[in-house]
Amino acid sequence: NAGVTQTPKFQVLKTGQSMTLQCAQDMNHNSMYWYRQDPGMGLRLIYYSASEGTTDKGEVPNGYNVSRLNKREFSLRLESAAPSQTSVYFCASSERHYTEAFFGQGTRLTVV
Amino acid sequence: QQQVKQSPQSLIVQKGGISIINCAYENTAFDYFPWYQQFPGKGPALLIAIRPDVSEKKEGRFTISFNKSAKQFSLHIMDSQPGDSATYFCAASRDYGGATNKLIFGTGTLLAVQP
Repeated sequence: NAGVTQTPKFQVLKTGQSMTLQCAQDMNHNSMYWYRQDPGMGLRLIYYSASEGTTDKGEVPNGYNVSRLNKREFSLRLESAAPSQTSVYFCASSERHYTEAFFGQGTRLTVV
Repeated sequence: QQQVKQSPQSLIVQKGGISIINCAYENTAFDYFPWYQQFPGKGPALLIAIRPDVSEKKEGRFTISFNKSAKQFSLHIMDSQPGDSATYFCAASRDYGGATNKLIFGTGTLLAVQP
């Protein structure tokens, strides 16, 4: 049972480049999330999807777009990367409220 | 605005001691308060969670104390071990109709347990 799988694990981008972070879960969870983790800031929610076909903004959505491709997959796209988007990105999934959120291993993104 | 405030930012405890991490929240609609543990290079993992209908929950050496009137909750790690050295995050969420568990995290506490 793989849980939540993120690709890639590491990425270096130049300012202005675009890329898509991929996430897939095999637990048949309804909800999926994208967080970014920065020193001293904790984990901040970028976007989330409560169910297949729906997406909503979180705390820090600017500069990002998401796609809930199906129940398993939730991707995060940076259209024009900026140095301020240098961070560690985590995808997570959960069944419903009051239940554990399972996190992937993270993607360390550096924008130069 | 920081909806969940966590302190201290870092903590050094001797092996066998008690580690205490505190969190405070503003939104009275929050009704689920988990703690997550994160080791370097890994994603956060659920450690223990509490709902506001109880004031304390214990699982092994880990205890959550919850004070609804003060809007505060804390994590106590008894008999702290070097293997407990990690970053700890408190979090909170509210009911959006049952479909999602949108967590708001604190800023994290880096715990180092010295042998």
